[in-house]
Amino acid sequence: GENVEQHPSTLSVQEGDSAVIKCTYSDSASNYFPWYKQELGKRPQLIIDIRSNVGEKKDQRIAVTLNKTAKHFSLHITETQPEDSAVYFCAASKGGTGNQFYFGTGTSLTVIP
Amino acid sequence: GAVVSQHPSWVICKSGTSVKIECRSLDFQATTMFWYRQFPKQSLMLMATSNEGSKATYEQGVEKDKFLINHASLTLSTLTVTSAHPEDSSFYICSASRDRGWGEAFFGQGTRLTVV
Repeated sequence: GENVEQHPSTLSVQEGDSAVIKCTYSDSASNYFPWYKQELGKRPQLIIDIRSNVGEKKDQRIAVTLNKTAKHFSLHITETQPEDSAVYFCAASKGGTGNQFYFGTGTSLTVIP
Repeated sequence: GAVVSQHPSWVICKSGTSVKIECRSLDFQATTMFWYRQFPKQSLMLMATSNEGSKATYEQGVEKDKFLINHASLTLSTLTVTSAHPEDSSFYICSASRDRGWGEAFFGQGTRLTVV
């Protein structure tokens, strides 16, 4: 099955700085890579996703890059704000409605005002 | 947008009793839903894949007789924790994807189960 690894497990940055979270996956058949933000006791919320036919995607302060050859993808948050503090999960899937998502172990991001 | 509703949000039950958790896709059909378990400060662990009209597929190490899954319609899947024990206390969360789509997962709000 798929194995998704995520680093770092915790990350503290000063407000305004950038944050980078990295994930690797094992199954070359995976082709859909979403990132979720989860606040304490709440449901994960999709913040950005990328499919294997593109290498980079950006949405305002958030960007994701994908290297299919190396089987890794990264989340980049620029100009961090205190409200960005949360746990972030990467995931990998083969895409399609019936395919499972396999999650990374999560990164607890703290943005220090 | 796509909405997945999970009920109840929290439940406390006595050891040995059973608890049913519902997961509904409110504005779309979902042939497949997924059930996860999340321990504090840990990731989401996939427990099982719920398939409408057929048996669920369980991940390795998950007891199917302990965690009963029923997907009776295209918008409803239920997870029943049978003979619950304190070690079953956890945050249970479901997800669903539109039948017509890439597969983006929409999550329910989760259920905090405490077995006393």
